[in-house]
Amino acid sequence: DAKTTQPNSMESNEEEPVHLPCNHSTISGTDYIHWYRQLPSQGPEYVIHGLTSNVNNRMASLAIAEDRKSSTLILHRATLRDAAVYYCILNSGGGADGLTFGKGTHLIIQP
Amino acid sequence: DGGITQSPKYLFRKEGQNVTLSCEQNLNHDAMYWYRQDPGQGLRLIYYSQIVNDFQKGDIAEGYSVSREKKESFPLTVTSAQKNPTAFYLCASSIIWEVEQFFGPGTRLTVL
Repeated sequence: DAKTTQPNSMESNEEEPVHLPCNHSTISGTDYIHWYRQLPSQGPEYVIHGLTSNVNNRMASLAIAEDRKSSTLILHRATLRDAAVYYCILNSGGGADGLTFGKGTHLIIQP
Repeated sequence: DGGITQSPKYLFRKEGQNVTLSCEQNLNHDAMYWYRQDPGQGLRLIYYSQIVNDFQKGDIAEGYSVSREKKESFPLTVTSAQKNPTAFYLCASSIIWEVEQFFGPGTRLTVL
């Protein structure tokens, strides 16, 4: 699977939008972009995924660059419960052969 | 409620002993996975199974073994051949070829 690059940590204030970047310059045409998040001592939780177009769901939005070499996870109004490690993952097999997690971005939310 | 259960939450073993971690799901998912997580690191894939009685090695399968005799169960055995077994172990499942994986709460294994 292609490699992703994320900042080690980011800090934001409660009730403000958060933009979490991910670079994936070696992405292939069949790679989906997945985002998961993990709270301390818990299993990861699926957030969102996309291929080419921007995507929205109840948790977040995913903005994908036109050349697909980068993407941004957008939390529209951060709460304290959004404090977690966020992982950006590429996979071309629908995930059935497992996912490759990097170190992710540790998101800190200030009250 | 549907979901994935892992037991126990915490497990302590002496060095040189084999230990089996349990993973059960009632989501009727075909695919199941085992990941390992070390402090401050991302998850690494140990084994995965896309169908009953079949499984594949992941990136770090050495020192581990699995079985998939039933659709809902995918136990992981950490053998004495695993050099650094102390870690957080996570089980997941998914509908085959669907993107979203559902994770269990994890088992934290400490080898003394």
